[in-house]
Amino acid sequence: QKEVEQNSGPLSVPEGAIASLNCTYSDRGSQSFFWYRQYSGKSPELIMSIYSNGDKEDGRFTAQLNKASQYVSLLIRDSQPSDSATYLCAVNRYGGTSYGKLTFGQGTILTVHP
Amino acid sequence: DTGVSQDPRHKITKRGQNVTFRCDPISEHNRLYWYRQTLGQGPEFLTYFQNEAQLEKSRLLSDRFSAERPKGSFSTLEIQRTEQGDSAMYLCASITEVGRGGELFFGEGSRLTVL
Repeated sequence: QKEVEQNSGPLSVPEGAIASLNCTYSDRGSQSFFWYRQYSGKSPELIMSIYSNGDKEDGRFTAQLNKASQYVSLLIRDSQPSDSATYLCAVNRYGGTSYGKLTFGQGTILTVHP
Repeated sequence: DTGVSQDPRHKITKRGQNVTFRCDPISEHNRLYWYRQTLGQGPEFLTYFQNEAQLEKSRLLSDRFSAERPKGSFSTLEIQRTEQGDSAMYLCASITEVGRGGELFFGEGSRLTVL
């Protein structure tokens, strides 16, 4: 079992739709959860972080965390062609030597078509 | 620009050559991380520094790899006797030790191609 697993893509949605990206993780000790966006040939860009169960909204992005189910998701509302990228889920066991040491999923490619 | 800076952005080398990458972190960040990302995969942790001390190394970091952070400022990652399997994007990130729960901010990356 992979430590962090994302739903297989690629995911294609029409402009204006909601894109739903999912991620599961195996380490119950994980405390911090992140979503990164990565355009082709570029480095990952942090777009959302979430630390407690529930929803966290930032503009068109909503991150959802369920620690009991070891599940984290990212919803993108009103998807735009500029959202087309690879989305990476990452988890971190907070504190101590693991602070900042992230385990990434393999990424989900999202394409938003006009 | 006050973000993480990496140099060079692209490096093409022949198998067996040595290469060195440099990372300049955000000035007030005392922790610096190196990750490697191969095509189609997420980044993988390689090593990290707290100030000048290298505190952890991944098993991915073979003895051909060495990283330094003299004086706790910039860091270098050297790969000796490069192999084709070393072709990847090498990412540097920095973070403050306290405050946010581990939010890493990456530099632009150094893409290595070994022929």
